[in-house]
Amino acid sequence: SAVISQKPSRDICQRGTSLTIQCQVDSQVTMMFWYRQQPGQSLTLIATANQGSEATYESGFVIDKFPISRPNLTFSTLTVSNMSPEDSSIYLCSGSTGGAGETQYFGPGTRLLVL
Amino acid sequence: DQQVKQNSPSLSVQEGRISILNCDYTNSMFDYFLWYKKYPAEGPTFLISISSIKDKNEDGRFTVFLNKSAKHLSLHIVPSQPGDSAVYFCAASLNNDMRFGAGTRLTVKP
Repeated sequence: SAVISQKPSRDICQRGTSLTIQCQVDSQVTMMFWYRQQPGQSLTLIATANQGSEATYESGFVIDKFPISRPNLTFSTLTVSNMSPEDSSIYLCSGSTGGAGETQYFGPGTRLLVL
Repeated sequence: DQQVKQNSPSLSVQEGRISILNCDYTNSMFDYFLWYKKYPAEGPTFLISISSIKDKNEDGRFTVFLNKSAKHLSLHIVPSQPGDSAVYFCAASLNNDMRFGAGTRLTVKP
């Protein structure tokens, strides 16, 4: 299994600012993902982070709002840009080796509150 | 479009009894189904999975049942322990595209 760390673990931000969340995996994974979990709701996939190329975004999420980088196999960042209170959520990264049915391993999450 | 649904937001059982968590899905193309457990302030951790070609998978106290005709799966925990108290997420996967339910909060009372 992979051990995944994220930082910051939590933050309180002002409206209109941006926050970059870092995700580090302790072993090489093929695939990395970013999710959002809004209060009382399920985990929603934001995008798949692709190494060395643009992330693949799900419907409803765009690069301008959630730019993602993945410069190597074990590291990725998600930026939440021009934040509003509606962006208050838990943001989670995950990784998997990408085989059929391969489980995803999750980081501890970043709890974001936007005032 | 919510492809994976957990209709019970919470469940409370007595220690030693069976816990049954349910999940429904809409896309018959999903090829793997997984259950994750989440404690407060932690990320979800993988618990057990089942391939769409099977109808049962057992791992210790945890058993997952899959009914493809009903597009329904369930997680049985027996006997339930207080340490099992957590939020349980059902997930369905197709080509590593994973969709999650909203979760069921299980409370096991001593």
